[in-house]
Amino acid sequence: DTEVTQTPKHLVMGMTNKKSLKCEQHMGHRAMYWYKQKAKKPPELMFVYSYEKLSINESVPSRFSPECPNSSLLNLHLHALQPEDSALYLCASSQVGEANEQFFGPGTRLTVL
Amino acid sequence: AQSVAQPEDQVNVAEGNPLTVKCTYSVSGNPYLFWYVQYPNRGLQFLLKYITGDNLVKGSYGFEAEFNKSQTSFHLKKPSALVSDSALYFCAVRDGGGYQKVTFGTGTKLQVIP
Repeated sequence: DTEVTQTPKHLVMGMTNKKSLKCEQHMGHRAMYWYKQKAKKPPELMFVYSYEKLSINESVPSRFSPECPNSSLLNLHLHALQPEDSALYLCASSQVGEANEQFFGPGTRLTVL
Repeated sequence: AQSVAQPEDQVNVAEGNPLTVKCTYSVSGNPYLFWYVQYPNRGLQFLLKYITGDNLVKGSYGFEAEFNKSQTSFHLKKPSALVSDSALYFCAVRDGGGYQKVTFGTGTKLQVIP
């Protein structure tokens, strides 16, 4: 299985809502990533988990809260988002190590009203 | 610090012609270089990577890339373009000094004209 799955595919939420994005992989990868991507722009790294521990937080606002419950799952909890947070949120996984390519999920298209 | 530049926002090529998408990089250590492709409303797909060894790297769907250390470049190439190759292409770099972060270029939109 070489697939990264993300749910939901689309999410519309108000600024006072709490929601979560989910990512799953069964490739045995021990590094997992959250990216934010605006239209026609490169992905912007948000968080990196290595061996289920948060190793990189790219100064992301606290209204985004990541969680890695086990080696296959990655969640992104959302609370009190702003309209400018509307974007495609991509999850990726890889083997740990700089030489390893990332496998990306299809993304969650988030719209904040 | 690591960075990568894709100087062309868009490349147009006729179907059947060779294509090149340019990428230059800057790292303090040894570079690990990657090419990814993204189709509309989809995640990124890995095409190929350079780690060490041969300067010409072959990847998926007939793509290849040439690593040039003196010019700090890693251009993506394909001998004969297909209409289905039309997509957004990202070059990415990782510094081989133990840094986990991948830095992506700004992307190049490839348009293959029938």
